[in-house]
This record gives sequence, C-alpha cells and structure tokens, in this order.
Amino acid sequence: GAVVSQHPSRVICKSGTSVKIECRSLDFQATTMFWYRQFPKKSLMLMATSNEGSKATYEQGVEKDKFLINHASLTLSTLTVTSAHPEDSSFYICSADPGRRNTEAFFGQGTRLTVV
Amino acid sequence: AQSVTQLGSHVSVSEGALVLLRCNYSSSVPPYLFWYVQYPNQGLQLLLKYTTGATLVKGINGFEAEFKKSETSFHLTKPSAHMSDAAEYFCAVSDNNKLIFGAGTRLAVHP
Repeated sequence: GAVVSQHPSRVICKSGTSVKIECRSLDFQATTMFWYRQFPKKSLMLMATSNEGSKATYEQGVEKDKFLINHASLTLSTLTVTSAHPEDSSFYICSADPGRRNTEAFFGQGTRLTVV
Repeated sequence: AQSVTQLGSHVSVSEGALVLLRCNYSSSVPPYLFWYVQYPNQGLQLLLKYTTGATLVKGINGFEAEFKKSETSFHLTKPSAHMSDAAEYFCAVSDNNKLIFGAGTRLAVHP
C-alpha cells in the first residue's frame, strides 16, 4: 500500500519556539494533504486542507498564523506550529490523498508534540 | 453536512467473543464510509471502506462492516476477538475527500 512518512514522530520544544512537522508521500503524488489534530482520548479534528501550489484551507477556529502550512511539492507538506505554547501540545497527524477515485487518503504515523 | 456518531466510547469483550462496534452517519449524498484502527501513539490504519457496490465489506484482520442505507449505519464486526485487536477504532465519512471522524471507540479484549 501507499506510504506516508511523517517526521518527527516525537518532539519536545520550549514555549515560544516554532516546530516544523513534515508529511511526505513516498510512493505517490498527492495534490492534497490534510492535517489533523488529536487531543488525548479524543477523535481527530481536521485542521486544514493543504493543496500543492496554493494556500491551505483552514477549518473554522484554526489560527492560520499559528499553524503555518506549506505544500511545496506533490510529495511534501509541512505544518509549522509557531510560537508554541503548552496548549499546543497534541498529536498531529497528516494524510495524503492520491487523488484517484474510490481511493482513500493514507495517513502518516503522527507526531507527538510536547511544549514545555 | 456529514457527521458520524459512534455509540459507545468503550467496548470490552472476551477473547474469542464477537466484536460489534457501532457507527451511524449523516450524509446528504451517497456516502463513502471508512473504519480505521489506531494503536497508541501511532497513525491510522485503514481496516475497510465502503464506496459503492456490495454493502457487506470485508477488511483486514477479519473485520467486516455492512452498509445499511435504511438505518444510516456502518457497524464494524469481527466474529472472534483477539488480544491484538485491542485499540481505538474510528468510523469516518468522506466529505469531498475530507474525512469526518466519529469520536472513536476503545476496544478492550480480556482473556
């Protein structure tokens, strides 16, 4: 099956710093990638839809200046958490859409962000 | 707008017993439906999906689900639970390729 690599798997950062999370589709091109956030023992909440070569579309309530998304190529999207605070600590998961009919998006392994 | 409701945030079964995880959806268009499994601190793995065609869908690890339009349901079943099935399970509906997830059901399997 298709592989989506997310890096890093875990990161600890200090308050006020920025953290970049990468999402790569390893064996297919993805014009669309999705970023989700998962709170402890909660479901996944869609944060934004990332489209290659254009601005990301953010869901209501998600601060676009806080969570910067760049989809620079058909195989890479990045999420940067800027000026991180402890409340940004969470599990972030990306998915990449191959864009083929009846084919689901594939998920990365997730990134556990802890802001101290 | 599409939505998903998973009844029961926790389900506990004995090893070898039937697993039934419930999912109901709301959709204004014919839905694409998915079941994913998540192990601790990991991403999501697709168990199975329904797009069109046969309403009984078989997935990996012995799981299957049946799409029932009249009941707007897509319940996940497995005839005999294994200890390795203990995980979090998410039902999802596709909304223009975005996935709308249910709240999840944590499955515990005890000896």
